[in-house]
Amino acid sequence: DTGVSQDPRHKITKRGQNVTFRCDPISEHNRLYWYRQTLGQGPEFLTYFQNEAQLEKSRLLSDRFSAERPKGSFSTLEIQRTEQGDSAMYLCASSFSEGFGYTFGSGTRLTVV
Amino acid sequence: AQTVTQSQPEMSVQEAETVTLSCTYDTSESDYYLFWYKQPPSRQMILVIRQEAYKQQNATENRFSVNFQKAAKSFSLKISDSQLGDAAMYFCAYKSGGGADGLTFGKGTHLIIQP
Repeated sequence: DTGVSQDPRHKITKRGQNVTFRCDPISEHNRLYWYRQTLGQGPEFLTYFQNEAQLEKSRLLSDRFSAERPKGSFSTLEIQRTEQGDSAMYLCASSFSEGFGYTFGSGTRLTVV
Repeated sequence: AQTVTQSQPEMSVQEAETVTLSCTYDTSESDYYLFWYKQPPSRQMILVIRQEAYKQQNATENRFSVNFQKAAKSFSLKISDSQLGDAAMYFCAYKSGGGADGLTFGKGTHLIIQP
């Protein structure tokens, strides 16, 4: 197992376009989290899945943001009608047990022009 | 809501010396976990050390140790024998026990290692 994988590493998009990011967690991990990190800040929690169930989504930044984990394995984060303020690093993390430790991916850097 | 405060935006230490990074948090919960993560310039967050709130013993991992003061809501990280590879952003993070919240992070401390 090579850890948490995120794809793409970088995404440049025009304002108003939709983007989708993918996260492949460590296979034994049933818990999956998405975060957003802006320059000079710590990551900000967005949403949480346990297996395929999305147990927390109130922290998604607006209704333009949505996430899925259809079979309890990989997850996608979609941003519709992107805005320049959406430019950030989007991080995925996974864990098999609460509080044990969370393994992060390398992130997807989004630039909206 | 829980908050995590890292009051040192930047710290500098000589190689082989010891440095302590500060972290305080605010919570009304009794069951929680605390973490220190390292984020090198490559941007991948790496777990350095973790502490369960119910454990009184301070966690240690090789050169890294914490000073967990539950009553004071303080969770500092001590790095002994600093190495050039320790240079990175260090984030303190809080996780509620139970519930569906993710980690709450501080703003980070930029650690510089002087050769």
